[in-house]
Amino acid sequence: SQQGEEDPQALSIQEGENATMNCSYKTSINNLQWYRQNSGRGLVHLILIRSNEREKHSGRLRVTLDTSKKSSSLLITASRAADTASYFCATTKYGNKLVFGAGTILRVKS
Amino acid sequence: DVKVTQSSRYLVKRTGEKVFLECVQDMDHENMFWYRQDPGLGLRLIYFSYDVKMKEKGDIPEGYSVSREKKERFSLILESASTNQTSMYLCASSFSFSLPNTEAFFGQGTRLTVV
Repeated sequence: SQQGEEDPQALSIQEGENATMNCSYKTSINNLQWYRQNSGRGLVHLILIRSNEREKHSGRLRVTLDTSKKSSSLLITASRAADTASYFCATTKYGNKLVFGAGTILRVKS
Repeated sequence: DVKVTQSSRYLVKRTGEKVFLECVQDMDHENMFWYRQDPGLGLRLIYFSYDVKMKEKGDIPEGYSVSREKKERFSLILESASTNQTSMYLCASSFSFSLPNTEAFFGQGTRLTVV
């Protein structure tokens, strides 16, 4: 069963705009991670936020975590065409068993 | 850099064939995973292994088995390939359960078509 559910399923924005993707999950977690996948390739880790953290930044990425609502958001600021990809949230519950959601397809138009 | 290598990028097999997908990692990771990815369904965990010869079923293990005889290598086996196993298969690895907040590293994926 999938733990994380991303929203929206697809997002199309202009270059320079901000992109926000949301993730909801069902049970308690150790941490939540965000990954990016370029078309037809493997996934690349973007950022990890622990269950006792509320916000984390990495370059143009900002991740928030609300454990009371069982939700997280990924904000990409000043988007670029190269940010076009699928984005997945993943949670760990038992050790490092990673459970993924269905993903958000982001398209950044130049 | 961590490297996770899957033996094939594209594979075409016939229904009923036994299929082996191989994955090798070079970072001495304890955990290794096999996922399949289908449009609209995201990544679904087939099996994972947390040590040599140790394995646990994921969410969709039916029709698959795995083998981990050496720490760096994790094989996914389709005992008798069927058309509904046509998919993208992704291998990943990560450090051990004793380090709970670590990322996973992925291979480039194998796109398997069963005809």
